[in-house]
Amino acid sequence: DAKTTQPPSMDCAEGRAANLPCNHSTISGNEYVYWYRQIHSQGPQYIIHGLKNNETNEMASLIITEDRKSSTLILPHATLRDTAVYYCIVRVPYSGGGADGLTFGKGTHLIIQP
Amino acid sequence: GAGVSQSPRYKVAKRGQDVALRCDPISGHVSLFWYQQALGQGPEFLTYFQNEAQLDKSGLPSDRFFAERPEGSVSTLKIQRTQQEDSAVYLCASSLYAGLINQPQHFGDGTRLSIL
Repeated sequence: DAKTTQPPSMDCAEGRAANLPCNHSTISGNEYVYWYRQIHSQGPQYIIHGLKNNETNEMASLIITEDRKSSTLILPHATLRDTAVYYCIVRVPYSGGGADGLTFGKGTHLIIQP
Repeated sequence: GAGVSQSPRYKVAKRGQDVALRCDPISGHVSLFWYQQALGQGPEFLTYFQNEAQLDKSGLPSDRFFAERPEGSVSTLKIQRTQQEDSAVYLCASSLYAGLINQPQHFGDGTRLSIL
């Protein structure tokens, strides 16, 4: 799986858009970008994924650069409940027969300020 | 509930004791994963089941760690002769079927294990 680089922490004001960057310069053509987040004392929660097109769902938007070497997760109107560690993961969707576990890094600790 | 359930939520054991951690995945989910999360770190993969078959146990740190899923639903992670370095949060996740592209993993809230 490709290695990802994320800033260790970020602050964002409540009600503003939170933009979380992720670098994945060694991504290969069949690898997807996934985002999970982990609120304190809870398990990780799936947010969104994409291959090369921008994606949007009820939680967030994912913008992937044209060369696919970086991406940005956007929370359009951050609330205090969005304070969490956000993990960017790059991997093939299925390895076929095993080794399907996710590889988490240290993620970005996003703190939403009131 | 409809989510992944783990029990106990907290477990304290003395060094050398055996412990068993339980995971109830979402009903109908074929794939089940165990992860270990040390304080301040991201989760690390331990093992993976497809139904009752343990297809990958490459992440288990030692032969003191053993996982099973005998009927393809509930899973148990057992740690024998616990040591202080086993202290961590143990997370369980399930997905509908890993073979389906982009099935997300649904996580439980974990068992926090403390070894004294």
